[in-house]
Amino acid sequence: ELKVEQNPLFLSMQEGKNYTIYCNYSTTSDRLYWYRQDPGKSLESLFVLLSNGAVKQEGRLMASLDTKARLSTLHITAAVHDLSATYFCAVDRSAGNMLTFGGGTRLMVKP
Amino acid sequence: DAGITQSPRHKVTETGTPVTLRCHQTENHRYMYWYRQDPGHGLRLIHYSYGVKDTDKGEVSDGYSVSRSKTEDFLLTLESATSSQTSVYFCATYPAGGNTEAFFGQGTRLTVV
Repeated sequence: ELKVEQNPLFLSMQEGKNYTIYCNYSTTSDRLYWYRQDPGKSLESLFVLLSNGAVKQEGRLMASLDTKARLSTLHITAAVHDLSATYFCAVDRSAGNMLTFGGGTRLMVKP
Repeated sequence: DAGITQSPRHKVTETGTPVTLRCHQTENHRYMYWYRQDPGHGLRLIHYSYGVKDTDKGEVSDGYSVSRSKTEDFLLTLESATSSQTSVYFCATYPAGGNTEAFFGQGTRLTVV
């Protein structure tokens, strides 16, 4: 059974600071996704990582994937308040494209 | 946004009543999914479909059934609603053969009283 664990579950940080969210998963997979969710809203896709060593960046967010370590990271650079949201990683566990989600990381960026 | 519409968006129902949630897509995506979201659990897969009339169970399928008679519609039925099924339900779609992400609907907040 595929398990996906994120840490931390909650992160409060100051604007301008850097931090990393970690996503560990338990079985082999080479497809990993990062989503953002604002309160009461749907999930918005941030990154699709499809191979070992994949790195993608969008604004202040950068995601990477190490399939050998079964680890993905979401790095936040110089955080701003608008990044406050819950971030989920999800791993594709089969050819049926079924996603298993981590528990989410609630990020609060304080002025 | 991908053309995924969930209905209803909010519903309150009584314990023991049947409830059907609808997901409608205009993207012609092959795969469709129903997830539930609960605090502390992220999103958990209830059922999924890989084509018309082709469905299978996810990790939390007990008490739920699904049907897909057309590519664009995926229905989730709670056969006899219980308070433990109070949740936010998300539908998602995924295109066949695409190295892309799954797209999510806006969610349905269901309360069973």
